[in-house]
Amino acid sequence: GDSVTQMEGPVTLSEEAFLTINCTYTATGYPSLFWYVQYPGEGLQLLLKATKADDKGSNKGFEATYRKETTSFHLEKGSVQVSDSAVYFCALPNDYKLSFGAGTTVTVRA
Amino acid sequence: DTGVSQDPRHKITKRGQNVTFRCDPISEHNRLYWYRQTLGQGPEFLTYFQNEAQLEKSRLLSDRFSAERPKGSFSTLEIQRTEQGDSAMYLCASSSLTWASGSSGELFFGEGSRLTVL
Repeated sequence: GDSVTQMEGPVTLSEEAFLTINCTYTATGYPSLFWYVQYPGEGLQLLLKATKADDKGSNKGFEATYRKETTSFHLEKGSVQVSDSAVYFCALPNDYKLSFGAGTTVTVRA
Repeated sequence: DTGVSQDPRHKITKRGQNVTFRCDPISEHNRLYWYRQTLGQGPEFLTYFQNEAQLEKSRLLSDRFSAERPKGSFSTLEIQRTEQGDSAMYLCASSSLTWASGSSGELFFGEGSRLTVL
């Protein structure tokens, strides 16, 4: 079935550093793609999404572009803050459910 | 708070005991999902309901696991004869029926119920 593969962490950064988390997908067709985030002690929440090729999703300073040529949906942020410390999950629809990547733990140091 | 709520947040039990988790979804959401998450892994799909009908179950859901959503509102997930391998975070999520088109994909998650089997 359709699936996503994301880069393994953990990732540790200093404040204001540039963050990239890689995500590639395997799918028949062109499904919507998502990034979810899980802050410490909280439930998963949708961070951003893209519904078709070449779309760019953005939220809270994060961006991800749906690239069908490379079957990728990498997450980027130009200047991270301590409050961005979280686990980030790439996901795509699989029938009426979402399939998630393994997650990437990001820690931002002051 | 009108989000997804789960109870209990933490459960410690001895191997062989039965446990039950409850999930209250967002009230207007027709779909309810159960996922399991272990350390260092992403959420793994267990089962989902549309209203009171259980429409899909993962192979991960052995016969010791049973889920219900009797009136199409709250749901329970019961694990019988728990094993140490059942230790995980059990996540509940809900979504509106319009997600059937696949164009939204927003699942609203609760904070999870952490199970520890000793």
